[in-house]
Amino acid sequence: GEDVEQSLFLSVREGDSSVINCTYTDSSSTYLYWYKQEPGAGLQLLTYIFSNMDMKQDQRLTVLLNKKDKHLSLRIADTQTGDSAIYFCAESLVLMDTGRRALTFGSGTRLQVQP
Amino acid sequence: IAGITQAPTSQILAAGRRMTLRCTQDMRHNAMYWYRQDLGLGLRLIHYSNTAGTTGKGEVPDGYSVSRANTDDFPLTLASAVPSQTSVYFCASSDAGGAADTQYFGPGTRLTVL
Repeated sequence: GEDVEQSLFLSVREGDSSVINCTYTDSSSTYLYWYKQEPGAGLQLLTYIFSNMDMKQDQRLTVLLNKKDKHLSLRIADTQTGDSAIYFCAESLVLMDTGRRALTFGSGTRLQVQP
Repeated sequence: IAGITQAPTSQILAAGRRMTLRCTQDMRHNAMYWYRQDLGLGLRLIHYSNTAGTTGKGEVPDGYSVSRANTDDFPLTLASAVPSQTSVYFCASSDAGGAADTQYFGPGTRLTVL
């Protein structure tokens, strides 16, 4: 089956840039996503990128997609303590019985921002 | 606008008991999903529904059932809970007609089965 992999933990200092990496296996994924989960809360969509794009920038967030290597990254510029959370990479997969798409999530990267 | 609500927030349950987790959305989304989140495993899809009246099995459906009588509600039932079903359960919805399949998540239900 499809697999999405992420490193489990990243620690940075406040003001530095954070880069969270993800690899995926389903080359037919149309969209790839980054979700953020704060403690005790549900997942919040941060951004997504269409598979025909290499890069997407949204304020402090930059998403890079290397489709050849099936590698996705999320860069957070000027990381703040409020960015401390778990970040999930997700790809869409096709549900064989309907052809509809659902999401496959990585195990999440816990970002710790030190003041 | 509430978005997606889930109830209860948390529950401790004896093994063998029946439990229904509730999920309601007010965005008129066609598609709804149930995931479980376990440490080190990310989120895994349990069941989904593309539209009212239809449901389908996800990656880990055993021991769970769902129904979709209307657009807004998508309850998840554990007929006879077992300790391995201790997890955090998230309901999500998406506009099936949307291009990006973006899913919106509820706050989660933390379930402990003893």
